[in-house]
Amino acid sequence: EVQLVESGGGLVQPGGSLRLSCAASGFTFSSYSMNWVRQAPGKGLEWVSYISSSSSTIYYADSVKGRFTISRDNAKNSLYLQMNSLRAEDTAVYYCARGRKNYYMDVWGKGTTVTVSS
Amino acid sequence: QSVLTQPPSASGTPGQRVTISCSGSSSNIGSNTVNWYQQLPGTAPKLLIYSNNQRPSGVPDRFSGSKSGTSASLAISGLQSEDEADYYCAAWDDSLNGPLFGGGTKLTVL
Repeated sequence: EVQLVESGGGLVQPGGSLRLSCAASGFTFSSYSMNWVRQAPGKGLEWVSYISSSSSTIYYADSVKGRFTISRDNAKNSLYLQMNSLRAEDTAVYYCARGRKNYYMDVWGKGTTVTVSS
Repeated sequence: QSVLTQPPSASGTPGQRVTISCSGSSSNIGSNTVNWYQQLPGTAPKLLIYSNNQRPSGVPDRFSGSKSGTSASLAISGLQSEDEADYYCAAWDDSLNGPLFGGGTKLTVL
């Protein structure tokens, strides 16, 4: 079964850091691009970051550029999001999602919740 | 600022046909394909339509997508109670250099 499982969320103070992980199974992880998408409480979806299959191409939303770093380890079938200088507005459920050509996302994890609060 | 505009809400009765619009610009819908996602209450989003009008395996043919110029629409025919969900359009944006989501449309089945 194709599956993505996020972990690493939690409560962190403003200015703090957190590292999210996404474990992939059931497909050849190294062949696919990956994304992080977040959803603030009661709000819509917001794309956060994209990484190509070989990590050669990386994009970030302006709202997280310079603070978040996406990475992947194809040997471990894992995707990561290092989040630094966290702000209250980063509070959201963070989903990892598999990317396809034309940039649609065909497999999503259940999400992990990040709360930034003092 | 790049924006994909959707109506915040839509509604219909069982069996009806409902359409949800998504308006963009030349930097997103005008030059890239449109995808639609369904988010049932309390769950993760699910791909519903990709590349303007393609359905992933398992998605009923009651769901269809279309695109014209800088706008797109999702149509749901034979509306069912289990279709009650939030629906999001999305398209790659050449200015953002990333995928752009619409604000979402909450569909209520009356």
